[in-house]
Amino acid sequence: RKEVEQDPGPFNVPEGATVAFNCTYSNSASQSFFWYRQDCRKEPKLLMSVYSSGNEDGRFTAQLNRASQYISLLIRDSKLSDSATYLCVVNNGGATNKLIFGTGTLLAVQP
Amino acid sequence: NAGVTQTPKFRILKIGQSMTLQCTQDMNHNYMYWYRQDPGMGLKLIYYSVGAGITDKGEVPNGYNVSRSTTEDFPLRLELAAPSQTSVYFCASSTRLAGGWDTQYFGPGTRLTVL
Repeated sequence: RKEVEQDPGPFNVPEGATVAFNCTYSNSASQSFFWYRQDCRKEPKLLMSVYSSGNEDGRFTAQLNRASQYISLLIRDSKLSDSATYLCVVNNGGATNKLIFGTGTLLAVQP
Repeated sequence: NAGVTQTPKFRILKIGQSMTLQCTQDMNHNYMYWYRQDPGMGLKLIYYSVGAGITDKGEVPNGYNVSRSTTEDFPLRLELAAPSQTSVYFCASSTRLAGGWDTQYFGPGTRLTVL
């Protein structure tokens, strides 16, 4: 079983749609959780951290369910500029900040 | 701040050739990382460093070597290039904050093809 699993997509949605991505992780001791965004042929960039209480940043909402080892990202009112690959990322703790990356979910927002 | 810079952006190697991928950061970060990303796959950690003079293996270190003589630089060496090393290579850096870890900041990547 992969440490971090995501639906690869692609998710093709019209502008203005709401879309949700899910991610599961296998290590119950994982400590920190993130969503990164990666544009085509570019480097990953942090989109947002994910907290147990849930957190929101504009049109983006992230949720963490530790009991189910499940992370989600909700994007409301999708824009063309949201088209990218969204990477679910987990930090299993320790002294080195090593991150475990999912394979990513591709989002294509259509006009 | 330039952040994390990588050179070259692109490179084509023949089987058996060697090369060094350069990575430099100007944020005074102690922690640096090398990843490879194959098409449709997640990033895999090759090597990492927690400070100058200290390096350790990641998930996929075979065929690579690193050194960390300064805080700023973390070069990745391929000694005998193989087609399986065709990939995009990303360097990243990070630091500890008072409340925990900062995010990892990535360089723009090096696209390597081995023929």
